[in-house]
Amino acid sequence: AQSVAQPEDQVNVAEGNPLTVKCTYSVSGNPYLFWYVQYPNRGLQFLLKYITGDNLVKGSYGFEAEFNKSQTSFHLKKPSALVSDSALYFCAVRDYQGSARQLTFGSGTQLTVLP
Amino acid sequence: GAGVSQTPSNKVTEKGKYVELRCDPISGHTALYWYRQSLGQGPEFLIYFQGTGAADDSGLPNDRFFAVRPEGSVSTLKIQRTERGDSAVYLCASSAGQGPGELFFGEGSRLTVL
Repeated sequence: AQSVAQPEDQVNVAEGNPLTVKCTYSVSGNPYLFWYVQYPNRGLQFLLKYITGDNLVKGSYGFEAEFNKSQTSFHLKKPSALVSDSALYFCAVRDYQGSARQLTFGSGTQLTVLP
Repeated sequence: GAGVSQTPSNKVTEKGKYVELRCDPISGHTALYWYRQSLGQGPEFLIYFQGTGAADDSGLPNDRFFAVRPEGSVSTLKIQRTERGDSAVYLCASSAGQGPGELFFGEGSRLTVL
């Protein structure tokens, strides 16, 4: 089975400050990990993914994420937050040694960047 | 079109009615997924197609839900005898194959069952 936990329902940060949105995962094998962003009344937009290789992954809009196998985490980060980053963020996982091909999503974290 | 297209964007129906939701994936994408997203929650997997066949339908909640993809492109999610608890946003996604590529999502069909 594969699962994702996003421990924070809500994260608030001031514009210009660094932001972190937390994600931990559980798989029986090795993970493929993804971050998506969702704006109000819109579908999910892909931000970045970890498949293999460098633990620090860079994605769209200045976001990056760090894969930490020992902590089973894949936290999303950005050095300097913008008001326009305010949205709902989802972490997702797929076990590449499992039979499932679908992604399993976390419950989401609402990020609010305050001007 | 360039992205995943879903119709209708909004559907209001009465309890007990039949509903069809359509998904047109990105051209050439062989994998197609249906998810359901309730308010304040993450997307919940329903069914996955590889080509024309349903490779994994383990997420369908009961036998009122059914999906088809007869020609390996457009898919239709069918819900019989709708219940108020079926109200949610139904998301469709496609990807290029069976590998670790990301899913590309449509904007969803919002279903409201009165």
